[in-house]
Amino acid sequence: GEDVEQSLFLSVREGDSSVINCTYTDSSSTYLYWYKQEPGAGLQLLTYIFSNMDMKQDQRLTVLLNKKDKHLSLRIADTQTGDSAIYFCAEIPMDSSYKLIFGSGTRLLVRP
Amino acid sequence: EPEVTQTPSHQVTQMGQEVILRCVPISNHLYFYWYRQILGQKVEFLVSFYNNEISEKSEIFDDQFSVERPDGSNFTLKIRSTKLEDSAMYFCASERRDSYEQYFGPGTRLTVT
Repeated sequence: GEDVEQSLFLSVREGDSSVINCTYTDSSSTYLYWYKQEPGAGLQLLTYIFSNMDMKQDQRLTVLLNKKDKHLSLRIADTQTGDSAIYFCAEIPMDSSYKLIFGSGTRLLVRP
Repeated sequence: EPEVTQTPSHQVTQMGQEVILRCVPISNHLYFYWYRQILGQKVEFLVSFYNNEISEKSEIFDDQFSVERPDGSNFTLKIRSTKLEDSAMYFCASERRDSYEQYFGPGTRLTVT
């Protein structure tokens, strides 16, 4: 079945890079996403990558996709205290009506 | 920038009561979704809706749940007879046609006592 796994917690120092990892099981996934959730807020779409791509860069964000290992990562360059939040990885399986399957989220804490 | 809105932000109800959670999707979006997140658990898909019909629903979305788009702007989730285990944050999302970008509302926290 479909499953998305993430590590629960990551702590980095302000100005360092953060790398948040995710693994998924459905090899037919078409799109893979990163969402950000700040306390008391909804899910903010950060970026996504189509399964035929290896990498996507958007300002401070870099998404890397390793289809062979079913591994997705989100790198945040020059991490700021405002980046502290929960980051969710999600996939859309091929045979669905575009429903998102979410991981459990990684809580990123940025220390000053 | 257009955004998805949801009301109320917090709803407290007694077990067995009916609740209606309301969402106003982004105006030119055609695909609508409901998800929920029980405290400490993953965000789970409930239902997708397109062209005034349910496209897909999860096992969670049983006969107690229904969705409706009563007018051109609102998208509602009704729970007919709430149970304690329905306590969760409910998120609405909408998507432009074939954009693959789902935009989420801030959520409604439902507490069933």
